Amino acid sequence: SAVISQKPSRDICQRGTSLTIQCQVDSQVTMMFWYRQQPGQSLTLIATANQGSEATYESGFVIDKFPISRPNLTFSTLTVSNMSPEDSSIYLCSVEGLGETQYFGPGTRLLVL
Amino acid sequence: AQSVTQLGSHVSVSEGALVLLRCNYSSSVPPYLFWYVQYPNQGLQLLLKYTSAATLVKGINGFEAEFKKSETSFHLTKPSAHMSDAAEYFCAVSDQTGANNLFFGTGTRLTVIP
Repeated sequence: SAVISQKPSRDICQRGTSLTIQCQVDSQVTMMFWYRQQPGQSLTLIATANQGSEATYESGFVIDKFPISRPNLTFSTLTVSNMSPEDSSIYLCSVEGLGETQYFGPGTRLLVL
Repeated sequence: AQSVTQLGSHVSVSEGALVLLRCNYSSSVPPYLFWYVQYPNQGLQLLLKYTSAATLVKGINGFEAEFKKSETSFHLTKPSAHMSDAAEYFCAVSDQTGANNLFFGTGTRLTVIP
């Protein structure tokens, strides 16, 4: 399975600011995914990030709020823009690995005050 | 469309007792099914997966799950709970077109009582 790291691991931010989360994989992967896990809830897919093309966003998520970059096959960023307390969540990236399986990073814990 | 229902948001078992976490799925096509575990302050770790091979799937840490098509279930079991099993467990389903179509259940928090 791939080894996935995320930066930062946690952050406390003021409302109205933006935070960029980095996801690094130790091998080249075609598809990377970004999820949100709100407090006490399950995971919700924000978008799928493919290298060389625009990210594909799920219903309820828009590029202006969650811009995503995918400059190469091992790296992606998710920005949470103009944050509000409702954006306080764990943000996880994942990659599609062997055997039709997604492997997850450790997550970024975001608290917006 | 695919969906997953996990019965019981919280399950408590005594150390050494059987662990049973329930998962029922809905899928219009043969599914792939997954169990993930999330330990406190960590990301998700794959426990096991079913991808249309053997219906009884063995995973890490002594867990296993059985795919029962007639019951549309994929319950997770472990014969003897250990304190280190305390975590949040998520069942997920995809539709075999690829892992990109992954739908998660709401999770079950397992507490192990010493």
